[in-house]
Amino acid sequence: DAKTTQPTSMDCAEGRAANLPCNHSTISGNEYVYWYRQIHSQGPQYIIHGLKNNETNEMASLIITEDRKSSTLILPHATLRDTAVYYCIAIRMDSNYQLIWGAGTKLIIKP
Amino acid sequence: GAGVSQTPSNKVTEKGKYVELRCDPISGHTALYWYRQSLGQGPEFLIYFQGTGAADDSGLPNDRFFAVRPEGSVSTLKIQRTERGDSAVYLCASSLVGRDTGELFFGEGSRLTVL
Repeated sequence: DAKTTQPTSMDCAEGRAANLPCNHSTISGNEYVYWYRQIHSQGPQYIIHGLKNNETNEMASLIITEDRKSSTLILPHATLRDTAVYYCIAIRMDSNYQLIWGAGTKLIIKP
Repeated sequence: GAGVSQTPSNKVTEKGKYVELRCDPISGHTALYWYRQSLGQGPEFLIYFQGTGAADDSGLPNDRFFAVRPEGSVSTLKIQRTERGDSAVYLCASSLVGRDTGELFFGEGSRLTVL
């Protein structure tokens, strides 16, 4: 599975859009990009995933570049409860979704 | 409840002891995963069950670790002769295999401390 790289940490003001980047330059055509987050002392929580097209759900939007080498997770109106570690993961469709996690991005939302 | 349940939430044991960690997945989820998470790191895959069988146990670090899922629902992770390096949060997740979302539902984890 493709390795992903993310910034170690980011800050964002409450109410603003939080944009979290992820590089996956070695991603292959059959690998999805998944995003999870982990709030302190809780289990990880699924956010969104995509293959080629941009995706949006009630939690976030996922923008994938045309060459698929990078993506951005957008939290449109960040709240203090969005403070968490955000993980970007590339996973093959046929891999039984055995996720391989990096260290993620620690996102701190400031009042 | 409707989510993945893990017990105990905290376990403190002494080096050399045996421990069992239990996972109750979401009803109807056929796939079950165990992960281990050390402080400041992402979760590390241990084992994956499809139904009752271990479809992939390649992440188990050594033969002191073993997991079972005898009836295709509840799973138990067993650690023999615990070592201080086994201290971590052990996470369980379940999913509906066959769906294409790949969404795993995680429990809150069991924090194991080996003294």
